[in-house]
Amino acid sequence: AQTVTQSQPEMSVQEAETVTLSCTYDTSESDYYLFWYKQPPSRQMILVIRQEAYKQQNATENRFSVNFQKAAKSFSLKISDSQLGDAAMYFCAYRSAISGNKLVFGAGTILRVKS
Amino acid sequence: EAQVTQNPRYLITVTGKKLTVTCSQNMNHEYMSWYRQDPGLGLRQIYYSMNVEVTDKGDVPEGYKVSRKEKRNFPLILESPSPNQTSLYFCASSLARRTELIFGPGTRLTVT
Repeated sequence: AQTVTQSQPEMSVQEAETVTLSCTYDTSESDYYLFWYKQPPSRQMILVIRQEAYKQQNATENRFSVNFQKAAKSFSLKISDSQLGDAAMYFCAYRSAISGNKLVFGAGTILRVKS
Repeated sequence: EAQVTQNPRYLITVTGKKLTVTCSQNMNHEYMSWYRQDPGLGLRQIYYSMNVEVTDKGDVPEGYKVSRKEKRNFPLILESPSPNQTSLYFCASSLARRTELIFGPGTRLTVT
């Protein structure tokens, strides 16, 4: 069974600075998808970024980018120019491209942004 | 607006009183699923459905039932709720198994 581990329960960053959230996963599959979701205090789950395992190029969405290391099974999220609105819980998630029947989530990382 | 809706958003109930949380999506998605979120555990899948009349258990199905009679609806049924089912519940859908999930707004359930 696949597992996702987020080793940082909480992180803090100063406004306008850069922060990196860590995520590692375990799988025997070669074809899969990885996601970062943001959960602000409203509790809504918002997709931040998505990475296909077969793509070597790291995904980027505006201030959000990932460092995808397939061999190391690592998928970190970098937030540049942090803003107060980035404060939230961030979840890393894995989805098999074969079965595709669920997302496997990490426990989450709370990101605090200081002004 | 393309979305997943859930009702109710908040519910406080007592042990043993049957309840249903509704979920509906307007995106013609084939795949739908239910998750529960608990502190320190992230989100865990309860049940999922690949299409109408096709449902299967997730990782934590005990105490829950689902049905998928129409493509757009996927209700979650707790026939005899217990306090350990107090949680935040999310319904989610996706067009196919290779795409991201779109989540509903969540339902906060408290069982006393």
